[in-house]
Amino acid sequence: QVQLVQSGAEVKKPGSSVKVSCKASGGSFSNYSISWVRQAPGQGLEWMGGIIPIFGTTDYAQNFQGRVTITTDESTTTVSMDLNSLRSEDTAVYFCARGEKNGYYKGLDVWGQGTTVTVSS
Amino acid sequence: DIQMTQSPSSLSASVGDRVTITCRASQTINSYLNWYQQKPGKAPKLLINVASTLQSGVPSRFSGSRSGTDFTLTISSLQPEDFATYYCQQTCITPRTFGQGTKVEIK
Repeated sequence: QVQLVQSGAEVKKPGSSVKVSCKASGGSFSNYSISWVRQAPGQGLEWMGGIIPIFGTTDYAQNFQGRVTITTDESTTTVSMDLNSLRSEDTAVYFCARGEKNGYYKGLDVWGQGTTVTVSS
Repeated sequence: DIQMTQSPSSLSASVGDRVTITCRASQTINSYLNWYQQKPGKAPKLLINVASTLQSGVPSRFSGSRSGTDFTLTISSLQPEDFATYYCQQTCITPRTFGQGTKVEIK
């Protein structure tokens, strides 16, 4: 059964960038979509974007266009999410999660443990 | 963007109660609607996808249905482990938006 293991917590200054990684182990990876979802403290879930590693195709929410980049390294079965121009409102827990083969329709059935990103001066 | 409006935002119920949570989409999403359960400090867990397909290992007291752009999650007999926050998510169109959540609390 595939597991997603994320990188550790980060503390960043406003205006800087953060890279969060998500490593898949124990199962198939490259032909499943991987999405990034964030959750600000005490708030709901927000879908940021996703990638289908086998195709390298990405799909971003308009809210994050130009600030977020999702990439994949198939040799290490790792998907990464870069978020730049950080502001305090980006303080959140960031999750990676696996979707279906070659798409996003059937929901997110395997989740990483979450990575806390704190943006503070 | 498609807006997903969940109701109620919170509810109090007792063990054994039947609980219904509704999610309304601002436009048609076919049946591309998923339901998640989230407990404090944990990642969400997928319960139901494509409106009514129960995920493997999820108890049969959970069910989902669709009527046009209205979707319903029903818990037929609430159990102590069901107290959590529930989210809907549409996966028809980017961005694949979530509802604002429904917190189910103990009465």
